[in-house]
Amino acid sequence: DGGITQSPKYLFRKEGQNVTLSCEQNLNHDAMYWYRQDPGQGLRLIYYSQIVNDFQKGDIAEGYSVSREKKESFPLTVTSAQKNPTAFYLCASSMGTVNQPQHFGDGTRLSIL
Amino acid sequence: GNSVTQMEGPVTLSEEAFLTINCTYTATGYPSLFWYVQYPGEGLQLLLKATKADDKGSNKGFEATYRKETTSFHLEKGSVQVSDSAVYFCALTPNDYKLSFGAGTTVTVRA
Repeated sequence: DGGITQSPKYLFRKEGQNVTLSCEQNLNHDAMYWYRQDPGQGLRLIYYSQIVNDFQKGDIAEGYSVSREKKESFPLTVTSAQKNPTAFYLCASSMGTVNQPQHFGDGTRLSIL
Repeated sequence: GNSVTQMEGPVTLSEEAFLTINCTYTATGYPSLFWYVQYPGEGLQLLLKATKADDKGSNKGFEATYRKETTSFHLEKGSVQVSDSAVYFCALTPNDYKLSFGAGTTVTVRA
C-alpha cells in the first residue's frame, strides 16, 4: 500500500539535544511538508520541499532544519534552539501541482524529558 | 493573506443528529477548499474537496458546497454516528500547493 510513514511515534528530547523525525513516502509525490500541531490549534507549516535538494521555510521554521536528499525522504531535525518543542509533528506529501490535496502520515509526538 | 475561520468547538451530538460545522475563508484568487478529519492519535485524512465555485464535495455521508458569494464551505452530515467523533479541519489552497488550515472543530457523538 502506498502511504507516508513517520517514525518514531513517540520521541523524548533532553535539554540541549537535537532530535530527528523521520518521514518516508512511497506515493511518488514531488512535494513534502512538515507541520506542527499544538492542542486546540490548527496546523502550522514548518518547512516544505517541492523537489529534491530544495526546500523553503514555512511560517515557524526557527529552531528546525530539514534535508531533501531523496524524493522519498524528508527528515526534520528539532534543534536545541527550539525552546518549546513539545508538540505533535505531522509530515505530508502531495503531487506538488496546483490544488492537489496533501496526504498525511500518522504523526510523531515529541515531549521534553 | 489567506485564512480560514471555523466554528469553535467542542460540538457534542447524539447519534443520528444533524451536524453542521461552519467554515469561512479569505483568499486571493480562486482557492481550492478541503475538509480533513483527524481521529485520536492519528494524522489527517482528506474527507472531501471542491475546486471551484458551486462544486459540492461529498464522502462518507458528509457534504460541503463551495459558496464563493459567501466565501464559505460548511460541512454537513444528516445523521452522525459514534464513529464520526473526531477533529475536523477546514483548509484552503490558493493557486499553489500550500495549505492554510482552520483551528479545527472537535466533534463528539454520544450513543
